[in-house]
Amino acid sequence: DAGVTQSPTHLIKTRGQQVTLRCSPISGHKSVSWYQQVLGQGPQFIFQYYEKEERGRGNFPDRFSARQFPNYSSELNVNALLLGDSALYLCASSPYGTRQETQYFGPGTRLLVL
Amino acid sequence: DQQVKQNSPSLSVQEGRISILNCDYTNSMFDYFLWYKKYPAEGPTFLISISSIKDKNEDGRFTVFLNKSAKHLSLHIVPSQPGDSAVYFCAASRSSNTGKLIFGQGTTLQVKP
Repeated sequence: DAGVTQSPTHLIKTRGQQVTLRCSPISGHKSVSWYQQVLGQGPQFIFQYYEKEERGRGNFPDRFSARQFPNYSSELNVNALLLGDSALYLCASSPYGTRQETQYFGPGTRLLVL
Repeated sequence: DQQVKQNSPSLSVQEGRISILNCDYTNSMFDYFLWYKKYPAEGPTFLISISSIKDKNEDGRFTVFLNKSAKHLSLHIVPSQPGDSAVYFCAASRSSNTGKLIFGQGTTLQVKP
């Protein structure tokens, strides 16, 4: 079975631009979460979506937004990019995002903002 | 406010010996804990988890111990192998929302042949 997939793998943008990252969860998984990992730190929670509804939001500015589609895939959008947005963006999926489920991660999208 | 902490940035062990990675947390509402391994340029790979109703969980060479009173968990790898060299993250969540993981900063494990 295919794991979590993310696109693109790498991206270079300039300050002020907007970016859209995409994620396809494991088949049958309805919960998708997004994380940001900067160098030397652990991943930080950005959003969780379940059944197209936002279930949780981390401590990120409103420039960050996301949505989930009927097929459970998801997009993360970041507007007005700052240099500090340079990071690895990870997507994770799980069946429901509740109970004691394991989240499975994709390979990530490496974003560089110049 | 770092709710999950891994105080050792790095650990070096000899092949065949035990590796012990530690993690502390502050939020007593956490009831599900996971360990992930991460290689450069890859996403985290799930290793093992433990529920707060248990104090130990084993899977092959990997064992996780949970001490709720101390708010401490540890990952034991026995025997350690060179392929285990990676960054290890502990993560915690509440079972009401395991879609939100709180991660530690990571420990880089080097296993020397």
